[in-house]
Amino acid sequence: NAGVTQTPKFRVLKTGQSMTLLCAQDMNHEYMYWYRQDPGMGLRLIHYSVGEGTTAKGEVPDGYNVSRLKKQNFLLGLESAAPSQTSVYFCASKRQKEADTQYFGPGTRLTVL
Amino acid sequence: KNQVEQSPQSLIILEGKNCTLQCNYTVSPFSNLRWYKQDTGRGPVSLTIMTFSENTKSNGRYTATLDADTKQSSLHITASQLSDSASYICVALPSGGYQKVTFGTGTKLQVIP
Repeated sequence: NAGVTQTPKFRVLKTGQSMTLLCAQDMNHEYMYWYRQDPGMGLRLIHYSVGEGTTAKGEVPDGYNVSRLKKQNFLLGLESAAPSQTSVYFCASKRQKEADTQYFGPGTRLTVL
Repeated sequence: KNQVEQSPQSLIILEGKNCTLQCNYTVSPFSNLRWYKQDTGRGPVSLTIMTFSENTKSNGRYTATLDADTKQSSLHITASQLSDSASYICVALPSGGYQKVTFGTGTKLQVIP
């Protein structure tokens, strides 16, 4: 099992450019999440999905879009990148039960110039 | 507003020594509390998950305690090893879904020889 994988690991964008971050999990988990982690702050939820074809907004959704066309994949899109989106992005997945373990990917470090 | 506060922010200890990290939370209604270990440049990894009715839970040399009345949790590390050097993140989950989870900012632990 690869667990949760993220592509790419690093990326540098110019302001206004777009990109898509890919998250894949091979544990057949229903729930998937996108977080950002900034220095001095706890992880913050951007968007999440409770199943294939469904997505919902988290705490900081502005400037991001997501899609969950396949159960194993969760895509995070930035349509017009801004320097404020410079961050480390983590994807996570878990099963449906509230007390189940959440598994995180290795992260994508994004810099927007 | 749901909050999670961790102390200390950082800690340096000698290899072989014990240490205790603290977490205070104001999350209501409360569902469960988690501790994660995050190595530098990696995603968080779950250490323990405790529900409202659990007072203590161990995972090897890691022991977490929970006092739901005072809304406090601690993570005790016994006989520290160099590989314990990492950030330790406390996470409080309210009832109603993981989308409302609150992450602490973490305690950065450094174990020195």
